[in-house]
Amino acid sequence: KQEVTQIPAALSVPEGENLVLNCSFTDSAIYNLQWFRQDPGKGLTSLLLIQSSQREQTSGRLNASLDKSSGRSTLYIAASQPGDSATYLCAVLSNSGYALNFGKGTSLLVTP
Amino acid sequence: DAGVIQSPRHEVTEMGQEVTLRCKPISGHDYLFWYRQTMMRGLELLIYFNNNVPIDDSGMPEDRFSAKMPNASFSTLKIQPSEPRDSAVYFCAQGKSGNTIYFGEGSWLTVV
Repeated sequence: KQEVTQIPAALSVPEGENLVLNCSFTDSAIYNLQWFRQDPGKGLTSLLLIQSSQREQTSGRLNASLDKSSGRSTLYIAASQPGDSATYLCAVLSNSGYALNFGKGTSLLVTP
Repeated sequence: DAGVIQSPRHEVTEMGQEVTLRCKPISGHDYLFWYRQTMMRGLELLIYFNNNVPIDDSGMPEDRFSAKMPNASFSTLKIQPSEPRDSAVYFCAQGKSGNTIYFGEGSWLTVV
């Protein structure tokens, strides 16, 4: 069974800092990997999707990388802002299934 | 397109009562997922449908849980009888194979 782990569980940074969130998965036979954002009391919003053949995806200040062989992905947030405060979840779609396996998320707080 | 719509948004019920959670999916997406989120266990897949047919219900915790998708416009998740340990946020999500998944805002269930 695919296991997805996110480190750290929580992170607090001052505004303006660049930061990296980490995600690891146990089975490298993946179809794609997605990063989601969840605000308190809300559902999940997809940020970036990386197909297994890709190395990275970028959207604005966000950059996600994928290293399938080592079972790792990182989400890089440049010039963090208080509005970036949320929980970020990594999810993997394995070749053997049609549903995402989620990590438990990293809770990010960006202080002014 | 209004996105995935879930109801009720919040429900408080007494132990032993029947709970029905509803999902109105986005048209044109052939996969529908029900997830449960708790602090301890994170997001867990309960069941998913493909073209209205249940494909994998191995995540449904007990026989007290059941899910239906009578047509492409509607799905329900039922708990009967409910127990305090069922308290969680239940998400309905939809997508096309291998693509971005769209989540509803969730149904916050408290069983007392």
